[in-house]
Amino acid sequence: KQEVTQIPAALSVPEGENLVLNCSFTDSAIYNLQWFRQDPGKGLTSLLLIQSSQREQTSGRLNASLDKSSGRSTLYIAASQPGDSATYLCAPNPYGQNFVFGPGTRLSVLP
Amino acid sequence: DAGVTQSPTHLIKTRGQQVTLRCSPKSGHDTVSWYQQALGQGPQFIFQYYEEEERQRGNFPDRFSGHQFPNYSSELNVNALLLGDSALYLCASSSSGTTEWYEQYFGPGTRLTVT
Repeated sequence: KQEVTQIPAALSVPEGENLVLNCSFTDSAIYNLQWFRQDPGKGLTSLLLIQSSQREQTSGRLNASLDKSSGRSTLYIAASQPGDSATYLCAPNPYGQNFVFGPGTRLSVLP
Repeated sequence: DAGVTQSPTHLIKTRGQQVTLRCSPKSGHDTVSWYQQALGQGPQFIFQYYEEEERQRGNFPDRFSGHQFPNYSSELNVNALLLGDSALYLCASSSSGTTEWYEQYFGPGTRLTVT
């Protein structure tokens, strides 16, 4: 059974800092891994999708890496802004199965 | 291009009642998944529908049932509501016919409160 953990559970940083969010998963047999953002009480917004054959994916100030063999993914946010404040969720997708979500990292970027 | 839509936005029900939530997938998508998200937790997979059949199911009781229509829209039904069913219910759609299969797009969710 896939289990996902995210560290840290919460993070508060001043604006402009670069930061790293960590995701660990127990079953490395995954098809892809997706990072999402969730604002309070809202749905999930997809940030990045990394296929199992890829090691990195970039979108603007976001960069996600995947090390499938060790069961790890990181989300790097450059030059953080107050608008980045949200909960960030990672979801490794097992072959033919559905996403198992981590509990999320709650990020607060202070002006 | 409309994304995933869900209705209603909010719902308040009493214990023991039944509820139906609705989801319309993103244009071009044929697969719909439902998730339950309790406050402060990550979403938990309920089930997935493809070609009008339940393809996969998570660890949820039979009180949770669903349906997919020929136009790929879907319903989630919950019978005999319990206080613990209070949560944000999320619908996600994906396309089985592209290289981005398994990339899920989420709707805004339905907030269900059971009193």
